[in-house]
Amino acid sequence: DTAVSQTPKYLVTQMGNDKSIKCEQNLGHDTMYWYKQDSKKFLKIMFSYNNKELIINETVPNRFSPKSPDKAHLNLHINSLELGDSAVYFCASSQGGGRETQYFGPGTRLLVL
Amino acid sequence: GDSVTQMEGPVTLSEEAFLTINCTYTATGYPSLFWYVQYPGEGLQLLLKATKADDKGSNKGFEATYRKETTSFHLEKGSVQVSDSAVYFCALASYNNNDMRFGAGTRLTVKP
Repeated sequence: DTAVSQTPKYLVTQMGNDKSIKCEQNLGHDTMYWYKQDSKKFLKIMFSYNNKELIINETVPNRFSPKSPDKAHLNLHINSLELGDSAVYFCASSQGGGRETQYFGPGTRLLVL
Repeated sequence: GDSVTQMEGPVTLSEEAFLTINCTYTATGYPSLFWYVQYPGEGLQLLLKATKADDKGSNKGFEATYRKETTSFHLEKGSVQVSDSAVYFCALASYNNNDMRFGAGTRLTVKP
């Protein structure tokens, strides 16, 4: 009965590879997000989707591509991985944007070697 | 744009000490304010929130009051435990943005 789940939890891969991270929420929310947390714990928004439509696309390299097959899923695909992509990636969801509470997944720890 | 500034850490306290982590915000309009906690190796969990001026959020002995006059939302706990050791994030959400704005996080270590 996990509210926001992500897979995989850990991802270790070589530079240049392509990888995907999956996110699912069972809260019935209509807005989902991807955040990146760096080694100093700083959290930065990457993408936001509302009802499968992209709302926010911060200055993220176009190697990162989000895909939302339906309201409950928001996957993150990363092409040509670089060392600097090593971080923890968090998925979150909320009912609408604005002032609503966001609920976070457990994170995916990505290490690029 | 909207932003949050929180007290830099790390903070180290002895068990049963009083905790304050300062948080101030800059926002146009009326944001909702939040404290999230991240335990080692885990994701962010909502600790408490307040949605309007003078509201007090509370949970697990932690409290924070939404102060519009000082644009602050300081986190307090009267007696910390070793199990409170974590990173604490202050955050705001408003109709001006579609994302949540986080402070830099404050690492708290509580020693027995």
